[in-house]
Amino acid sequence: AQTVTQSQPEMSVQEAETVTLSCTYDTSENNYYLFWYKQPPSRQMILVIRQEAYKQQNATENRFSVNFQKAAKSFSLKISDSQLGDTAMYFCAFSHTGTASKLTFGTGTRLQVTL
Amino acid sequence: KAGVTQTPRYLIKTRGQQVTLSCSPISGHRSVSWYQQTPGQGLQFLFEYFSETQRNKGNFPGRFSGRQFSNSRSEMNVSTLELGDSALYLCASSSGLADNEQFFGPGTRLTVL
Repeated sequence: AQTVTQSQPEMSVQEAETVTLSCTYDTSENNYYLFWYKQPPSRQMILVIRQEAYKQQNATENRFSVNFQKAAKSFSLKISDSQLGDTAMYFCAFSHTGTASKLTFGTGTRLQVTL
Repeated sequence: KAGVTQTPRYLIKTRGQQVTLSCSPISGHRSVSWYQQTPGQGLQFLFEYFSETQRNKGNFPGRFSGRQFSNSRSEMNVSTLELGDSALYLCASSSGLADNEQFFGPGTRLTVL
């Protein structure tokens, strides 16, 4: 069975600064997806960024980018120019390509953006 | 395009009762997945329905069941409620294709007393 580990329960960053959230995973599969989801206090889960394992190029979405290290099974999220609206729980998640709708989540990192 | 809707948003039940939660996916989406979120266990996959058939299942007891209707709306039922069933229940909809993004609803907060 696959597992997803987020070793940082809480992090804090000042507005406009850069922060990196860590995620490691374990799987014996070769084809899979990795995701970062954001869950603000409103509780609505929002997809931040997605990475297909077969793609070597790291995914980027505006201020959000990932560092995908397949051999090390590491998938970190970098948030640049942090904004107050980035304050939320961030979950790293994994799914096999054959069961893309079945997500395995990490325990989450609570990010607080301060003035 | 309307997002994923879940009803009710909040629910209070007592032990031993049963409960039914509803999820309406985004128009055109055929897959609905359900997740349980608790402070202790985090986010856990319950099951997925695609075209009215259960396609994937997590490791939950048989008290947790679901179904999907022809219009893709899905219901989740929990029988003989236990205190530990108190959680935020999230549903997510997608096209059901391999390369698909899941869109989550706002969740139903279930409290079991």
